[in-house]
Amino acid sequence: DTTVKQNPRYKLARVGKPVNLICSQTMNHDTMYWYQKKPNQAPKLLLFYYDKILNREADTFEKFQSSRPNNSFCSLYIGSAGLEYSAMYLCASSRSRDWGPSQNTLYFGAGTRLSVL
Amino acid sequence: GDSVTQTEGLVTVTEGLPVMLNCTYQTAYSDVAFFWYVQYLNEAPKLLLRSSTDNKRTEHQGFHATLHKSSSSFHLQKSSVQLSDSALYYCALSEGGNYKPTFGKGTSLVVHP
Repeated sequence: DTTVKQNPRYKLARVGKPVNLICSQTMNHDTMYWYQKKPNQAPKLLLFYYDKILNREADTFEKFQSSRPNNSFCSLYIGSAGLEYSAMYLCASSRSRDWGPSQNTLYFGAGTRLSVL
Repeated sequence: GDSVTQTEGLVTVTEGLPVMLNCTYQTAYSDVAFFWYVQYLNEAPKLLLRSSTDNKRTEHQGFHATLHKSSSSFHLQKSSVQLSDSALYYCALSEGGNYKPTFGKGTSLVVHP
């Protein structure tokens, strides 16, 4: 099973309100990622977990938080949504520990489309 | 930092004709893997091709790509496209010791009859 699941598929949020997005994988991958995708832009890495270590990108450090209570589950938290957060959020996982043909191959979820009003 | 450039945002091709989607990159590292991901409508992106060997052709599902480090390119090609190939295609790279894959903007391929 190579499934990454994201919930919900669509999320409507109000400006200033918190948002929590959920992702799960059953492949025992050590690394989980969150990307933000806007039209005509490359997927932007927001943060990733390598095992239990959270790494957040410098330019989005204060805007996004995350938790990974176990290997399979990872969430993305926005404390106060702004209009600029409207985007597709893609969760992905990979096996990063061993170098080989499949290392760093990402397995994606279908995404959560967040609309902030 | 690393960067991946996909020059075409939209490519339109007639069914049965060949297609090439461009991908060029910049990286300071030598231990790098290159990927093409495909995303069909309302589905998750998934791996199409992967390569880390210079000048070696990699094939899958009728598509092929060859990594050319001399020109920093990893173009995706198919000799005869099908209607079902219509999708969004992402080129990406990942350094061996870095857990941060870098993506291009993506190229939307539309195949019409």
